[in-house]
Amino acid sequence: DAGITQSPRYKITETGRQVTLMCHQTWSHSYMFWYRQDLGHGLRLIYYSAAADITDKGEVPDGYVVSRSKTENFPLTLESATRSQTSVYFCASRFNRGREQFFGPGTRLTVL
Amino acid sequence: GQQLNQSPQSMFIQEGEDVSMNCTSSSIFNTWLWYKQDPGEGPVLLIALYKAGELTSNGRLTAQFGITRKDSFLNISASIPSDVGIYFCAGQLRYSGGGADGLTFGKGTHLIIQP
Repeated sequence: DAGITQSPRYKITETGRQVTLMCHQTWSHSYMFWYRQDLGHGLRLIYYSAAADITDKGEVPDGYVVSRSKTENFPLTLESATRSQTSVYFCASRFNRGREQFFGPGTRLTVL
Repeated sequence: GQQLNQSPQSMFIQEGEDVSMNCTSSSIFNTWLWYKQDPGEGPVLLIALYKAGELTSNGRLTAQFGITRKDSFLNISASIPSDVGIYFCAGQLRYSGGGADGLTFGKGTHLIIQP
């Protein structure tokens, strides 16, 4: 019973590089979300997906790209990483008609 | 976006004490969720509230959905060392079933327990 997993757990990269963070859930949840967590800002929504091939922007989408070709996976790509994208990234999911979101363990990303 | 004011920002308490924290907003919410986050981990759902006035318990934790639908409270009784962490409230403005659920998060309450 893996639930929701994220990989890698830690990543260090350089400015300008492309980085992809992976999220995988085994619950067959329709909705998946990406958040970033920063001191002083709490959790902020980057992108979300209501189903495979359906994605939409959240509060802070600039500099990020998402895709959802399969229900269970929701990768987040930083096409050209910047220092301001240093953060902890959390993936979450929920049932179509549920209200509770369930979070993964997070990926700590450092952009040098 | 919508703002959730969560207080206090941090709490330093003695083991065995009771803890209270709350979230308030100028907006009306249909759902309140309370999460706990341990260092290096993701938030874990503690309690979900769906109706104004609802009072729900989970072990030593009790949460209430405010009557005005603009606030929620979380209480922890007889705190123990493993209660240390960051507690987040999250509110949902509208449940459509067909779109983003519009969860808004508070900035968290850091709970520190002194033995």
